[in-house]
Amino acid sequence: GAVVSQHPSRVICKSGTSVKIECRSLDFQATTMFWYRQFPKQSLMLMATSNEGSKATYEQGVEKDKFLINHASLTLSTLTVTSAHPEDSSFYICSARAIQTGTYEQYFGPGTRLTVT
Amino acid sequence: AQKVTQAQTEISVVEKEDVTLDCVYETRDTTYYLFWYKQPPSGELVFLIRRNSFDEQNEISGRYSWNFQKSTSSFNFTITASQVVDSAVYFCALSEARKGGSEKLVFGKGTKLTVNP
Repeated sequence: GAVVSQHPSRVICKSGTSVKIECRSLDFQATTMFWYRQFPKQSLMLMATSNEGSKATYEQGVEKDKFLINHASLTLSTLTVTSAHPEDSSFYICSARAIQTGTYEQYFGPGTRLTVT
Repeated sequence: AQKVTQAQTEISVVEKEDVTLDCVYETRDTTYYLFWYKQPPSGELVFLIRRNSFDEQNEISGRYSWNFQKSTSSFNFTITASQVVDSAVYFCALSEARKGGSEKLVFGKGTKLTVNP
C-alpha cells in the first residue's frame, strides 16, 4: 500500500515552454501533497505544500506564478513549470500524506527528471 | 527554525565493514519526528525509519540500527556488515508535528555512501 506515482518520469522541453508533472496517490487518499526539488548532488528542498481544494502554500523564494500547483482531488496534484528555463532543470519529487491523521508520514513518488534545453 | 546537519558528505568503506552515518538536528518543538531515507542512483526515495521525539529506544532492523539521543540531538544510523547494494545517498529528515497535516520535512544534505567490493 501507500504508492505514489509521478508522470512523466523524464521530460525534455525547450526553453520557454511549459511542462506539467502529475503526482497521484494510487491506493490512498491524500489530504496534503508536497512538491520538492532536488538539484544534482544536493538535498531535497520543499517548494510548496498543497491541500486538496485550496491554494498551495509556497516556500520562500519559490515563484508561485512560475510553479503552478493544482490539487484538484484527493488523489491528484499537478505541478506546472511555466516558461521553463535551463535553470529549472532539476529532479522534482512529490510526496503525499494519507488522510488518516497521526502518522505524519509522507509517501514519496519516484520523481520526475526535467531537462530544459 | 528547524535544521538537520549531516556532516559527512561522502563515506567510502569496503564490503563487510560497519559504517555509521551521523545526523544532528535542531528544533524548538517538543514533539517532532525524525526520518532516514535512502536514495539509490535511480532517484526514488526509500523510507527506512520514522522516530517520534518521545521514543528514545534504539531500533534494529536486520543490518540497520538507529541510535536516537535527545540529549545530543542526534539520530545516527549504523549499517552493520555493509554490502555493495547499500551504496546510495542517505538523508536524515525532521518533521515537526502540526495539526492539519501541514508539517514540513526538512532534509539534511545527505551522505553519499559507497561500499566497495
